[in-house]
Amino acid sequence: KEVEQDPGPLSVPEGAIVSLNCTYSNSAFQYFMWYRQYSRKGPELLMYTYSSGNKEDGRFTAQVDKSSKYISLFIRDSQPSDSATYLCALTFSGGYNKLIFGAGTRLAVHP
Amino acid sequence: GAGVSQSPRYKVAKRGQDVALRCDPISGHVSLFWYQQALGQGPEFLTYFQNEAQLDKSGLPSDRFFAERPEGSVSTLKIQRTQQEDSAVYLCASSLEDRGMYEQYFGPGTRLTVT
Repeated sequence: KEVEQDPGPLSVPEGAIVSLNCTYSNSAFQYFMWYRQYSRKGPELLMYTYSSGNKEDGRFTAQVDKSSKYISLFIRDSQPSDSATYLCALTFSGGYNKLIFGAGTRLAVHP
Repeated sequence: GAGVSQSPRYKVAKRGQDVALRCDPISGHVSLFWYQQALGQGPEFLTYFQNEAQLDKSGLPSDRFFAERPEGSVSTLKIQRTQQEDSAVYLCASSLEDRGMYEQYFGPGTRLTVT
């Protein structure tokens, strides 16, 4: 598979720092995205990063290490409302951005 | 404003039946994608439309799958002679432009169960 993601499930207490990860094989990927999917809903984009580096948005931080072909999403001060499946998605620069998804990691944050 | 809508939300078909799944994208969105999501897996690309033109159908698993978007807005994914392996959630997504990194907005999906 082009993108590997541990399916979990991952169970953490409220307030914990959560680390979610994906690895990939194709060095041509340029956009790295994290989607959140609640049960019986469609995925919604949390954040995306172009090429390498970090990006922060509130309690969420996305990291891309292109040399290792490794991407991460960190969630600080996790809340029960963060309980969902988190999908990494990758795509190429240019073109129409067909998304290549990981299998998703199921996260449960318990009070 | 309204998001992407899909109908029906749930569909049960007997093996061998034909089904039609509808997607209403966000008004004005040029790009429309169909994905298939099997249980416990991430979505997998099926096909892509730019307006009414189907530019990529490389992900369609067999010639039993057919998609159209005749007027560049509503799209229909049709599956002929359904098989049990077609059971999955079918997701539609639309985005504003045809290239560059634009957010894909997903609908809630149609859950197809083939018995």
